Amino acid sequence: DIQMTQSPSSLSASVGDRVTITCQASHDIGYYLNWFQQKPGKAPKRLIYGASNLETGVPSRFSGSVSGTHFTFTISSLQPEDIATYYCQHYDSLPITFGQGTRLEIK
Amino acid sequence: QVQLVESGGGVVQPGRSLRLSCAASGFTFSSYVLHWVRQAPGKGLEWVAIIWYDGSNEYYGDSVKGRFTISRDNSKDTLYLQMNSLRAEDTAVYFCARAGTRSAPLHGMDVWGQGTTVSVSS
Repeated sequence: DIQMTQSPSSLSASVGDRVTITCQASHDIGYYLNWFQQKPGKAPKRLIYGASNLETGVPSRFSGSVSGTHFTFTISSLQPEDIATYYCQHYDSLPITFGQGTRLEIK
Repeated sequence: QVQLVESGGGVVQPGRSLRLSCAASGFTFSSYVLHWVRQAPGKGLEWVAIIWYDGSNEYYGDSVKGRFTISRDNSKDTLYLQMNSLRAEDTAVYFCARAGTRSAPLHGMDVWGQGTTVSVSS
């Protein structure tokens, strides 16, 4: 099975800060990675697919990139409405696996 | 609009069974692969099962293999999850999610339902 190691598990930042979350895949998964945002009591919302493609309607302050098996999710300027938990998820093969999640808080 | 709506959750005793449903609308249901994903209280997301667009293939996570069965009725645009021999550790919110189509079955997870809560307790 492919393991996704996500870090950090939690993060506190100020409005306007640049925020970075990473996921390391245990095997080569190419570009087959999604990033999700989940707010309390809600379903996950896909923000990024194919490692770097922004979902329609998602603000451009969100972005994703990849270098080998190392994936990065960035919020260029943190906004109060970005407070949520973020997950990476690979879809290279079964079983699909998610990262452990990153809880983002406002400082 | 494109929508998935889960139902069937509730409180059930350990060892009993429960069937969840996920009703789809706004897209061609029979063209899409579908997942069940769950989230235990305060925990992360766990993939549960997947079924091919035509029901020809199904796969399960290790924690539910042999106890849960995913199925679909394309004539009713509905996905199901039959959960047998339930355990306390199956307590979670269960989400259905749309995956890809025939050409890219594992892609997607672009549409999710709101979730239905299953609580396994004596």
